[in-house]
Amino acid sequence: SAVISQKPSRDICQRGTSLTIQCQVDSQVTMMFWYRQQPGQSLTLIATANQGSEATYESGFVIDKFPISRPNLTFSTLTVSNMSPEDSSIYLCSVADFYEQYFGPGTRLTVT
Amino acid sequence: GENVEQHPSTLSVQEGDSAVIKCTYSDSASNYFPWYKQELGKRPQLIIDIRSNVGEKKDQRIAVTLNKTAKHFSLHITETQPEDSAVYFCAAKDYSGAGSYQLTFGKGTKLSVIP
Repeated sequence: SAVISQKPSRDICQRGTSLTIQCQVDSQVTMMFWYRQQPGQSLTLIATANQGSEATYESGFVIDKFPISRPNLTFSTLTVSNMSPEDSSIYLCSVADFYEQYFGPGTRLTVT
Repeated sequence: GENVEQHPSTLSVQEGDSAVIKCTYSDSASNYFPWYKQELGKRPQLIIDIRSNVGEKKDQRIAVTLNKTAKHFSLHITETQPEDSAVYFCAAKDYSGAGSYQLTFGKGTKLSVIP
């Protein structure tokens, strides 16, 4: 399976600021996704990161709040903009080729 | 869209006993069903999966069964060990090309194995 890394692993941010999370994969992958996981909850898909085009967002998530880039087949970024305490969560990058889907280690974000 | 229900939400078993977690899905087009194990503070790890053309799959102490007619699938862990304690998520995906290639997750089952 692909080796997925994320930066930063955790951060504490002030409300109103923005944080960009990076996801790097050690091989080219077809699909990349961004998920959010609240403590004790399941995984919620934020968007599918499309290479060379705008990301596809799920209901309840908008580009102005969560802009995503995917310049190539091994790298993507997720920005959490104008943060509020409700954005405190774990953000996970995920990649898939054909069937199997794997997750990055996550970024634990705390907004104060 | 797809909806995946998972039961039970918590499960406690004695070490050495078996554990069974069940999931149902709503979209008959779903054709891929993975299971993830997530230990505290760690990422979800793919532990086993099954495709719609197979009824059962085993890997050592874990097995997954699929009933497409009833639209349910289950995870079976035999001879449980304390290191099996974790949250387990089931998921479903339509990989036929007509679907969105997205995984829909169940809400998770917290398994505790009591030594």
